Formats: sequence, structure tokens, C-alpha cells
Amino acid sequence: QVQLQESGPGLVKPSQTLSLTCTVSGGSISSGSYYWSWIRQPAGKGLEWIGRIYTSGSTNYNPSLKSRVTISVDTSKNQFSLKLSSVTAADTAVYYCARGNPFYAVGFDYWGQGTLVTVSS
Amino acid sequence: QSALTQPASVSGSPGQSITISCTGTSSDVGGYNYVSWYQQHPGKAPKLMIYDVSNRPSGVSNRFSGSKSGNTASLTISGLQAEDEADYYCSSYTSSSPHVFGTGTKVTVL
Repeated sequence: QVQLQESGPGLVKPSQTLSLTCTVSGGSISSGSYYWSWIRQPAGKGLEWIGRIYTSGSTNYNPSLKSRVTISVDTSKNQFSLKLSSVTAADTAVYYCARGNPFYAVGFDYWGQGTLVTVSS
Repeated sequence: QSALTQPASVSGSPGQSITISCTGTSSDVGGYNYVSWYQQHPGKAPKLMIYDVSNRPSGVSNRFSGSKSGNTASLTISGLQAEDEADYYCSSYTSSSPHVFGTGTKVTVL
């Protein structure tokens, strides 16, 4: 059973860079044609797709966040990571990592439990 | 990329059927048969309920069904049960981005 777990600081200061890591267990991050995404959800609001990475290193980002987002993968550690620069209070949210499964086209079949990141001084 | 439009809330009594709409444009919902639906209970991660407009992943109840007409996709829950009370989100592939989510719909079981 594939499991995903987010980790990283729960508090980030404005203008700094938010950094999170997602550790994948129960299978190799490199197996199959999956892609690995970050998705966020401000409290009481909807889901927002941030971006994705294939284990080849190919990435796609939400156009509205593209200038501030970097997603990377470390296959040796079975992890992928998110960096979001120049954060403001508007970036406060629960951040999820998820596996995209091409069998489901644009469907995410496994999700992490989510981690709350608060942007505040 | 703007979020897809969903009604804020939908309610129904146990046993009834309800339908949630998800309206986009010809650049997303209307242009591709790549619409997914997710169920999210409070404090939990979303769960994939429907993919490719109308297909259910293994293990998802057949009380959940999806369809699409033009730029609007729909999720129907039949035989509504208390456990169906949750937030529901649609998602679509778009011409400018692989994913866009809907605004979300809160389903209340009366």
C-alpha cells in the first residue's frame, strides 16, 4: 500500500521560502508512469493544484504560481519536494502531496494526510 | 486559470438522489473527457470518486456516478447516506494547465 507523508516547518515568515518534502513509502517513486504533485487548501476554502513532477525531472506548474514554485525529486530517498518563494499570508494553507496516476488521466489516487503551513512573523 | 464553478451547497434526505454540477469552459471541462471528482471529509485528504468523467475506481460505491454535457460535468449520488455528507470537488484537465479544481460543494444529508 503506497503511503505519502509531508514534512517541513509549520511556520514560515513572510517573504521567506516555504520548503516541504513528501516521503513515499510502500513502493518506489520511480516505478510506473506516475507523477507527483503538490496541492494546497487554505482553511475553509477549496483545493488549488500547485504543480507536478515526473521522476524524469519533467515539471509542470500552476501558471498563477509558476514564478515562485520549484518542485524537485530525489529518487534515492523516495522523496519529492516543494519550494515556494516570497511567501505571504495568502500562502497559509494545508499542503498535500499526492500521486497522479495516468490510468486515471488527471486523477490523484494516493494523498498524504496534509500539513498546515502558516505564514506569519 | 480560474477555478471551475460548483454550487456552494447541495442537500438531500437519506435515500434521495442529488446532483452536483461543475461548470467550466471549452478549454477545460468541455474540451476534454478528463474530469475527476473527489470526496473530502473534514480534516481528511480528498478521495478520488470518479475519473474520466464517469468511471469509478475500484472500491467506490456504484451509488456515485458522473456525466458531462457541454461545458458542465455532474456528479450524482443516489440513495444518499449519512456517510456521504462531505465536501466534493471536481477537477479537469485544461488547455493551459494539467489540473484545475472546482470551487467545492458541501453536501448535507438532512
